[in-house]
Amino acid sequence: DTEVTQTPKHLVMGMTNKKSLKCEQHMGHRAMYWYKQKAKKPPELMFVYSYEKLSINESVPSRFSPECPNSSLLNLHLHALQPEDSALYLCASSPPGLAGNTGELFFGEGSRLTVL
Amino acid sequence: QQQVKQSPQSLIVQKGGISIINCAYENTAFDYFPWYQQFPGKGPALLIAIRPDVSEKKEGRFTISFNKSAKQFSLHIMDSQPGDSATYFCAAGGGSWGKLQFGAGTQVVVTP
Repeated sequence: DTEVTQTPKHLVMGMTNKKSLKCEQHMGHRAMYWYKQKAKKPPELMFVYSYEKLSINESVPSRFSPECPNSSLLNLHLHALQPEDSALYLCASSPPGLAGNTGELFFGEGSRLTVL
Repeated sequence: QQQVKQSPQSLIVQKGGISIINCAYENTAFDYFPWYQQFPGKGPALLIAIRPDVSEKKEGRFTISFNKSAKQFSLHIMDSQPGDSATYFCAAGGGSWGKLQFGAGTQVVVTP
C-alpha cells in the first residue's frame, strides 16, 4: 500500500461553517504534512507532524487547526475561513531515514476547498 | 525570498523531443533535490531525486544533472511523449525534517 488517501475530494463551505479534512496513510511513515496549493503555484507548507507531534507551523492562521490522532491519520479542522482560503489542500507523508525523515514526500490527491 | 528559482515557466515540445527544465538554488545546506510531476486535479508525484554526491541520475527517460559548484540542477525528459504533459516542480531540502523549498513550476506541453 503506497497511497496517501484524502477525504473529501471536494468541499464547499460558508465562512461560518466548521468542517474537517482527513488524511490517512498506512506506509509506516512517521512524518505527515499539510500543504496548500493555489492554481498554477507550487505547494506551500502549512504544518508538519513528526512522530505525532507538531514540529512545524508556518505561521498559519488559527482558523486552520491540525490534529494528528495517531501515526496513520492527520486531520485539518477548518473554521471561519475566508474566500481567499479556497485552494487545493494536500496531505503528504514521508518515510523515516537515517537522519530523521528523508524528505521524500508522498502526496495525496488533495481536497479541493471552495469557501463561499 | 525564493530559495529555488525554476525556468522556464512553460515549455512546448514536439513528441520525441527533449524537454529541459532548469533550477538554481542559493542555500548550500540543501542536500536533497527532488523533481515532482503534477497532472491537473492530482497531487504532485515524486519523479526522480538526487543528492549532491553524484552529478547525474537517470531513471528511464528522465535524467537529473547536478552542478554543485554552480548550485544548479536540471531535469531532462528524453523522447518526450504526450503523456508527459504536466507541471514539473523542482525542489530542494536539507536537515532532518524534510522541509522542501519548491520552485515555481514549469508547465510542459508535448504536442503529438
